[in-house]
Order: sequence, then C-alpha cells, then structure tokens
Amino acid sequence: DAGVIQSPRHEVTEMGQEVTLRCKPISGHNSLFWYRQTMMRGLELLIYFNNNVPIDDSGMPEDRFSAKMPNASFSTLKIQPSEPRDSAVYFCASNTPDIYGYTFGSGTRLTVV
Amino acid sequence: QQPVQSPQAVILREGEDAVINCSSSKALYSVHWYRQKHGEAPVFLMILLKGGEQKGHEKISASFNEKKQQSSLYLTASQLSYSGTYFCGTEGGAQKLVFGQGTRLTINP
Repeated sequence: DAGVIQSPRHEVTEMGQEVTLRCKPISGHNSLFWYRQTMMRGLELLIYFNNNVPIDDSGMPEDRFSAKMPNASFSTLKIQPSEPRDSAVYFCASNTPDIYGYTFGSGTRLTVV
Repeated sequence: QQPVQSPQAVILREGEDAVINCSSSKALYSVHWYRQKHGEAPVFLMILLKGGEQKGHEKISASFNEKKQQSSLYLTASQLSYSGTYFCGTEGGAQKLVFGQGTRLTINP
C-alpha cells in the first residue's frame, strides 16, 4: 500500500499565478479530505468528499479556492489567483468507515511570493 | 467549534508520564488523536467513539467523557520517540473532523 500520495511536495509560485495541488487517496477509501496547516491557524478542514461528491466546503476560504474529485483515485485543489497568505502546508487525507482513522499524505508545502 | 487542548506544551524526561486534554463545546460522536513530527504528516494514534468503543495504538491509552465532551490522552513511561505535536480531532457527525491547536511534547534523555 503506497499510502495517500500528494504532488508536488513543494511549490513556489508568484502571487497571481494558478496553483494546482494533487492527491491520490488509498485505494478503497471512499472519503477524502483537504486540510491546510499554518502556525497561526493550525490544521483547518477545507473541504471533504464522500464517494467523489463534495459534502462540506464551508472551510474553503474564498472563491479563489476550488476542489474537484473526478473519480475515486484522484482529487485536485486549485487556487486561482494565489496570494502570499495562501502559503501553508496542504494535506490530503483519506479514510473509510471500516478503518476509522484518517491516513494523511505527506503534504504540499506551498509558498506564494 | 475548534476543540481546546491543554497544556500547549510539555517537557518531560524519558520515562515520565504525561496527560494531554481535549475539550469541546459541542456534543461529540468521536474523538481522534494524532501525532505529528516536525516536517511530517499527522499519524493516527487512536479513536474513541460515543458508546465506549476504542481503536488504536496498543501502547497509547485515552479516555472519553461523552457528558463533559472531553477526552484525555495518557502517555506513560515516555520514550524519546514520543516527541512531537499531539492533536485531538473532534467529530460531531457527518465525518467532519475538526482539530485542536496541538500540544507540543518534548522528551529529553
């Protein structure tokens, strides 16, 4: 089992550019979560999907953020346009009701300059 | 609705015990505990469910008081490998896991 796979591991971009973060959940896990971690705000839930359907996106900070899950093995989080305050580590996690705990990916460290 | 953890930081000598607390203002369905080492992803330790069921790491123990909406994580005979930041995550339903601000645990030899 390769675990939850995120790409890229690091992303440095200029303000105003579009950024796309990618996530491959563990095969068989039917729930996928996007979290953002900063020193000031900790681990924040941005959005989560159940069976590829977005269930709760109330944590998405603003319209510049969007997320999709076109199939059970792939999800994207897009920021357009990016701003310096978006700099953070973005984690993807997946689980299934049979397992209970979440498995996190290694994260994407985003720096917007 | 973010749960509150205490203390914010703990420094121990190897072999000592520690308790980390997590408190919520909302009714809870479950409480999760995770450990995160610097530069790494959070790792699942334990889940405590409403009704008393627990699943998780063999060497970790925790309690869940449903009435008080509180949970405590007990780390006994601490080892150097226990160092890291511990997060509780609370779920009020619908799989929405909200994390506390974390407790930084440092174990010194």
